[in-house]
Amino acid sequence: EIVLTQSPATLSLSPGERATLSCRASQSVSGYLAWYQEKPGQAPRLLIYDASNRATGIPARFSGSGSGTDFTLTISSLEPEDFAVYYCQQRSDWPLTFGGGTKVEIK
Amino acid sequence: QVQLVQSGAEVKKPGASVKVSCKASGYTFTAYYMHWVRQAPGQGLEWMGRINPNSGGTNYAQKFQGRVTMTRDTSISTAYMELTRLTSDDTAVYYCAKNIAVPGAHWFDPWGQGTLVTVSS
Repeated sequence: EIVLTQSPATLSLSPGERATLSCRASQSVSGYLAWYQEKPGQAPRLLIYDASNRATGIPARFSGSGSGTDFTLTISSLEPEDFAVYYCQQRSDWPLTFGGGTKVEIK
Repeated sequence: QVQLVQSGAEVKKPGASVKVSCKASGYTFTAYYMHWVRQAPGQGLEWMGRINPNSGGTNYAQKFQGRVTMTRDTSISTAYMELTRLTSDDTAVYYCAKNIAVPGAHWFDPWGQGTLVTVSS
């Protein structure tokens, strides 16, 4: 199965700063990668799909890039509500798999 | 609006089975795959499988083959996930999640609120 490795495990930043999260795949997933946000006690929410397409209602400060094995989620200027855990997911091959997550915490 | 409402928390003994329901509203239930994903305490997300609510066809992750059964009742727009031979490793929050409205794209939006299944003797 395709293994997704996210880094860093934890990112400590202040509101207003730029966040850059990485997801690396064990083999090429082409552009078939998504990002989700998860807050405590809530279900995950789709942010980005097909590497760079924002899901409905997602603010423009969230952007995704990459292809093949290396992907990035960028939050241009962190808002208080953005402090959460972020997961990447691939749909290039079965089984669908998720990365281990990156926690974005307040510095 | 699209909404997925899951059944309540369950406590089961090792060796037992659990069946979680997921009632959909706000869209045509038979038009989109429904997926099941679980999350053990403090852990990441794990895809379990999917069901085509129109045909009833299923695909399961190999890890769960033989222990999981996904079904649906189109008359009440509800999907079900049954997991048998439970062990403590199955303690997790179980989510249903609708496939997004992009052909061939297995991305999940929205998700149900989650159902905590605790396996304990």
